[in-house]
Amino acid sequence: DGGITQSPKYLFRKEGQNVTLSCEQNLNHDAMYWYRQDPGQGLRLIYYSQIVNDFQKGDIAEGYSVSREKKESFPLTVTSAQKNPTAFYLCASSTAWRGYTIYFGEGSWLTVV
Amino acid sequence: DAKTTQPTSMDCAEGRAANLPCNHSTISGNEYVYWYRQIHSQGPQYIIHGLKNNETNEMASLIITEDRKSSTLILPHATLRDTAVYYCIVRVGGQGGSEKLVFGKGTKLTVNP
Repeated sequence: DGGITQSPKYLFRKEGQNVTLSCEQNLNHDAMYWYRQDPGQGLRLIYYSQIVNDFQKGDIAEGYSVSREKKESFPLTVTSAQKNPTAFYLCASSTAWRGYTIYFGEGSWLTVV
Repeated sequence: DAKTTQPTSMDCAEGRAANLPCNHSTISGNEYVYWYRQIHSQGPQYIIHGLKNNETNEMASLIITEDRKSSTLILPHATLRDTAVYYCIVRVGGQGGSEKLVFGKGTKLTVNP
C-alpha cells in the first residue's frame, strides 16, 4: 500500500547526541515536510522540501538539519544544538500542484534522557 | 501564526451530528480550507478540503460561507471513534511555490455515549 513510513516510532537520546529520524514515502510526491508537536499543542513546521536537492527552513529550524537526496526520502537530524528536542515528530508529503492534499506519517516520539 | 480560529473544545452525543466551526476571516481568494483530525499519538488524518463550494465525502461535509470567512465541518452521525482534535487550516501561499500548511491548536471533539 502507498503511504508514508516513519521510523523509529520511539527513540531515546542522551543529551549531546545527534539522532536521525527516517521518513520514506512511496506516493510519488514531490513535496515533503517535517513538523514538530509538543503535548497539547498544534503542529509547527521545521523544514520542507518542494523538490529533490532543495529544502527550506520552516518556523523552528534551529537545531535541526535535513537532506533530500532522493524523492522518496527526507530524513531529519535532531542535533545537540536543539535545546528542547523531546517532542512528537511528524513527516508529511504532498504533490506540488495547487489544491494538493498533504498526507502524514504516523509520527516518531523522541525523548531526551 | 495560524490564520484560523476554532473553539478549544466541543462535545457531541453519539449518533448525533457534530458541527465544528472555523473562522478564517483573512482568507485569500485562492486559498483552500482543509480539515484534518488527530487521534492521540497518531499522525493527522486528512478529512476534506474546499475552495468555494460545499463539499461532501464519505467522512464528512464541509460548508463554506459565501464570503468564505468561515466554514463548518459536519460529521453527520458521530461515533466514539470520532473523538479527536480537529484542525481547520488554510493554505498559506508563498513566493516561488513555497506553500505550506500552518496548524493552530484545533478543536478537541469529545463524542459521548
